[in-house]
Amino acid sequence: GENVEQHPSTLSVQEGDSAVIKCTYSDSASNYFPWYKQELGKGPQLIIDIRSNVGEKKDQRIAVTLNKTAKHFSLHITETQPEDSAVYFCAASGGSYIPTFGRGTSLIVHP
Amino acid sequence: DTGVSQDPRHKITKRGQNVTFRCDPISEHNRLYWYRQTLGQGPEFLTYFQNEAQLEKSRLLSDRFSAERPKGSFSTLEIQRTEQGDSAMYLCASSTGQGKSPLHFGNGTRLTVT
Repeated sequence: GENVEQHPSTLSVQEGDSAVIKCTYSDSASNYFPWYKQELGKGPQLIIDIRSNVGEKKDQRIAVTLNKTAKHFSLHITETQPEDSAVYFCAASGGSYIPTFGRGTSLIVHP
Repeated sequence: DTGVSQDPRHKITKRGQNVTFRCDPISEHNRLYWYRQTLGQGPEFLTYFQNEAQLEKSRLLSDRFSAERPKGSFSTLEIQRTEQGDSAMYLCASSTGQGKSPLHFGNGTRLTVT
């Protein structure tokens, strides 16, 4: 089955800095890569996703890049704000429609 | 609010008791998923339904666990003879079923087994 590795487990930045979270996957058949943000006491919420026919996608301060050859994808958050503090999860899915999640990155943005 | 709804939000039970959780997906979402999340980990897949059909179950879903989606709408997850290792957040998610559509998660049911 699919295996998703996510790094770092904790990321601490100053407000206004950029944050980058990286993930690798094992199954070359995976072709859909969503990213989720989870705040305390809530379920994960989708923030951005990318499909394998696209190398990069951007939505305001958030961007995701995908390198299919290397089987890795990354989340980039620019101009971080304290409200960006949360746990972020990457995921990958292929033909099974069942996303496999990484272990999460706790992002802390210091004001 | 038309998001995914889970009930109860919290459940404390004694070891050996049975518990049942309910999930109401977003209206007209064909796929419904159950995941389990423990502290410091990502969600782990348990099982998934396409309409009323349970299409896949994880090895994590022991025979003490059973899930149903009787009319293709709401779903229940039952755990029999609970063990302390069952303590976790149980997350439900739904999706439209249109190709690779994103999952929409509820806020989960936190189970504590004492």
